[in-house]
Parts: sequence; C-alpha cells; structure tokens
Amino acid sequence: GAVVSQHPSWVICKSGTSVKIECRSLDFQATTMFWYRQFPKQSLMLMATSNEGSKATYEQGVEKDKFLINHASLTLSTLTVTSAHPEDSSFYICSAFRTSEADTQYFGPGTRLTVL
Amino acid sequence: QKEVEQDPGPLSVPEGAIVSLNCTYSNSAFQYFMWYRQYSRKGPELLMYTYSSGNKEDGRFTAQVDKSSKYISLFIRDSQPSDSATYLCAGNSGGYQKVTFGIGTKLQVIP
Repeated sequence: GAVVSQHPSWVICKSGTSVKIECRSLDFQATTMFWYRQFPKQSLMLMATSNEGSKATYEQGVEKDKFLINHASLTLSTLTVTSAHPEDSSFYICSAFRTSEADTQYFGPGTRLTVL
Repeated sequence: QKEVEQDPGPLSVPEGAIVSLNCTYSNSAFQYFMWYRQYSRKGPELLMYTYSSGNKEDGRFTAQVDKSSKYISLFIRDSQPSDSATYLCAGNSGGYQKVTFGIGTKLQVIP
C-alpha cells in the first residue's frame, strides 16, 4: 500500500522559534497534499491544500504567514510553523492523494508539536 | 451544524460482538464516503471508501451509505481487541476535493 511519512514524529520547542515538518510520499507521486491539525478529542481540521509547483490554499481562519507550506516536489511538502506559541501545540498530520487513485487519501503518522 | 456528525462515544463492546458505527452528514454534494481508523497518537488509516449509496464489504468490515437519509454506517463483525481505536467517518464531493471528517467514535473491544 501507499506510504506517507512525516518527520519529525514529535518535537518540543521554545516559544518564538520556528519548526519545520516534512511530509513525504514514499512510493508514489502526489501532486496534492493536505495538512491537518488535530487537537485532543477533536476531529481533524484541514489547514491547507498544498499543490506541487504552486501556492498553497489555506482554509478560512488559518494564518498563511504563520503556517508556511512549500510543495517543492511531487514527493515532498513541508509545513513551517513560524514563531510558534503554546497555542500552536497540536498534532499535525499530512495526507496525500495518490495521482492514479484520485479518490484515495493516504495519511502520514503525524507530528506532535509541543511549544513551551 | 457540523457537516459530518458523529457520536464520540466511548463505545465498549465484548470481544466477538457486532459493532455498529454511524454518522450523518448535511452536505448534499458529498459523493465519496470514507471510514478511517486512528490509533492513539497515530495518523488515520483508511479502512473503507464507497461511492454514492450502497454497501461495500471487506473482510469483517461493511460500509453502508444511504444518501437519501444522509446516513453512513460501518459494521464490524466478530470484533477483536485489536479493533479498539477511534473510527472517523468522512465525506467529500470527489476527486481532489477536501475531505470533511466527523469527530470520531472511540471504540473499546473488551476481551
């Protein structure tokens, strides 16, 4: 089956620093990737849609200058949380549509971010 | 009103029981419906997806969609302790459209 990886799996940082999270599709090319955030006991909330070679599309209420997304290749998308604050602490999950299977979305294992 | 409504549970059943998980949705544009399983501190894993109304079976899992009533169901037969997880229902209008998730139902299968 398709595999999506994320790195790091967890990160702890000080308030005010920036954190980069990588999302890779390991065995398929993904023109479209999604970034979600999940708070405890809540559902996944879509943050943005990342398209290879173009600017990301952000959901309403998500600050694009704070959550920088770069989809540099067909297998890699990155999410950078700039000037992180404790309220940014959450579980960040990426997903990718397999180009040949447009209806199937594969999720990464997630990255747990804790901002002190 | 949330686009996808799901009872968060928790739902506890004895091993071997038939589990019924349900969701309702409000977006008439939804054409594709999915069920994901999520273990604690892990990303969601796709279990089943169906197109439009109907049933789909895969091993011990059966997914049902009734578009007329906007009702989505997942049945798990012969439930196992390893099935203990949070189950998220989801829908989208197809293709590369964003997927909207329910809050997830936490299931515990007791040995």
